[in-house]
Amino acid sequence: GAGVSQSPSNKVTEKGKDVELRCDPISGHTALYWYRQSLGQGLEFLIYFQGNSAPDKSGLPSDRFSAERTGGSVSTLTIQRTQQEDSAVYLCASSLAGGLQETQYFGPGTRLLVL
Amino acid sequence: QKEVEQDPGPLSVPEGAIVSLNCTYSNSAFQYFMWYRQYSRKGPELLMYTYSSGNKEDGRFTAQVDKSSKYISLFIRDSQPSDSATYLCAMTGYQKVTFGTGTKLQVIP
Repeated sequence: GAGVSQSPSNKVTEKGKDVELRCDPISGHTALYWYRQSLGQGLEFLIYFQGNSAPDKSGLPSDRFSAERTGGSVSTLTIQRTQQEDSAVYLCASSLAGGLQETQYFGPGTRLLVL
Repeated sequence: QKEVEQDPGPLSVPEGAIVSLNCTYSNSAFQYFMWYRQYSRKGPELLMYTYSSGNKEDGRFTAQVDKSSKYISLFIRDSQPSDSATYLCAMTGYQKVTFGTGTKLQVIP
């Protein structure tokens, strides 16, 4: 069956521009997670959705980052006024239920390069 | 100090060797411990999942948790070239999952 998909797979942008990253979770999965993976930094938790609500936004690095999820399915991560330090791989994952012990299934990621 | 420490490697071993991958952590509130494998340019995939201290075996993989020492390990027996990947430990507590930086493993044929 279809796994988690993300688009675009690669994005090159200029400093100061806004970007929007999309995540399509596995059908029926209620929980959705966004992570950032930088070289040598591991996976950095950004935000977690249970349904359409985000009980924990504490991982968002700055107010330039925002995320939303509508219809309990697709989610978008928006980065405004991008900076070079935003360059990273942005990974999305989904799980069937919301407990943190649930298996998370990851998408292939969006590779963002800010010039 | 990071909540989860993991040696980034790279770790290079000959085919058939036993591989030991480790993480230490500082937060005693962590409850669930996981190991993910990530191939190049792919998302991580869950390998092993444990809750209590002790060992859990799945085929060639054994996960070990020592809560008293705040130390977890993943052992790979009879390593294969297809095991070459980055291995990330992960732990849950509060409302989020905390990952290690990952150890890059290369198994040489």
